[in-house]
Amino acid sequence: GAVVSQHPSRVICKSGTSVKIECRSLDFQATTMFWYRQFPKQSLMLMATSNEGSKATYEQGVEKDKFLINHASLTLSTLTVTSAHPEDSSFYICSARDHRLAGKRPYEQYFGPGTRLTVT
Amino acid sequence: AQSVTQLGSHVSVSEGALVLLRCNYSSSVPPYLFWYVQYPNQGLQLLLKYTTGATLVKGINGFEAEFKKSETSFHLTKPSAHMSDAAEYFCAVSGHNNAGNMLTFGGGTRLMVKP
Repeated sequence: GAVVSQHPSRVICKSGTSVKIECRSLDFQATTMFWYRQFPKQSLMLMATSNEGSKATYEQGVEKDKFLINHASLTLSTLTVTSAHPEDSSFYICSARDHRLAGKRPYEQYFGPGTRLTVT
Repeated sequence: AQSVTQLGSHVSVSEGALVLLRCNYSSSVPPYLFWYVQYPNQGLQLLLKYTTGATLVKGINGFEAEFKKSETSFHLTKPSAHMSDAAEYFCAVSGHNNAGNMLTFGGGTRLMVKP
């Protein structure tokens, strides 16, 4: 149980185009999902917290107009990188919190396998 | 506020040797502590976690970690390294009553296992 998928696993796009990354909870409902960014040989940095049915909360320094997050259902959150540039190339990882555990194990997060974005 | 420091960005051990990966944290509230493993081009897999209760926690693949409040540490150990343990390891902290229970990650430690 508690599987999170991401699609695509890898994407290469040209500078100036937009790319959408999907994060799905496959066997549970997630009222909260998180988006992380990981540069090569570095740690994960939280970009934003995505809450179903409401606006995402972005961390300081993350451009919300560039990284559009939509959490339209309890099993799907999307991250759209708009007008991508080479410096946006990174590994993007999402995680999801099972809404049934919100009271008992609020710290529990299940991670997706990540999406490697390369902007040329 | 919370933070995590992992001492040693790279650790190299011989196969069969003890693995010790260090993690120190700071947290203004009682912490939840985690160790995750990441293999190349993959997401994170939870190795073990400390929430409350017993301070020595056992995880998957023979790993364990001990929460030491007085030292604000949560070091990860394994008695005997296997080649398959070679990966990146991340320590993370979240806090009781921390709004959103967000995870803060350490910088990571790359474990290399020599034959």
